[in-house]
Amino acid sequence: DSGVTQTPKHLITATGQRVTLRCSPRSGDLSVYWYQQSLDQGLQFLIQYYNGEERAKGNILERFSAQQFPDLHSELNLSSLELGDSALYFCASSPTSSGGRDEQFFGPGTRLTVL
Amino acid sequence: TQLLEQSPQFLSIQEGENLTVYCNSSSVFSSLQWYRQEPGEGPVLLVTVVTGGEVKKLKRLTFQFGDARKDSSLHITAAQPGDTGLYLCAGGSTASKLTFGTGTRLQVTL
Repeated sequence: DSGVTQTPKHLITATGQRVTLRCSPRSGDLSVYWYQQSLDQGLQFLIQYYNGEERAKGNILERFSAQQFPDLHSELNLSSLELGDSALYFCASSPTSSGGRDEQFFGPGTRLTVL
Repeated sequence: TQLLEQSPQFLSIQEGENLTVYCNSSSVFSSLQWYRQEPGEGPVLLVTVVTGGEVKKLKRLTFQFGDARKDSSLHITAAQPGDTGLYLCAGGSTASKLTFGTGTRLQVTL
């Protein structure tokens, strides 16, 4: 158990809909990272928040947004969903803002299926 | 765009065999991490190497960072079924993000 929790574990929805994925980091970690993992694209970095502020951005679509709240939990919002958004979405956390050096602790993931 | 190519993509071997997984890039990284991911779970960090030429050993696993910090290898000696999983390398830069490799799926059978 990494100490990172993600809800829900599974999510099935229809095209055009909007969903929210939730992540609680390990106690004491200030950074939260979101990743998308699909069969053909591997593990893709989406976005990082550090202590409530956006820190780094990756290949995140404009239809996706995220935020980190004062209690450090984070939410990833996916809107106007398309079939191609079906994937595993992972949240990870680390103690500092140095995502390139810190060990990142991954949650169990949310499997999103868009029908 | 930084890319990390792993080879082989798939590997199926028998218990007791040795194997090496390669992680290559044209970019220089400040650190290189190796993760293992099992089905239904998130990746778990195995090791971090930060110095060019560095070698780290973790029981039967040996990790090496290339001298130029562009490539890395993972060698497993006497593989066991418990080694089965998806192995991911990840390059760290001065920016905050990690760039993950394409992955190597290892299956070890009895």
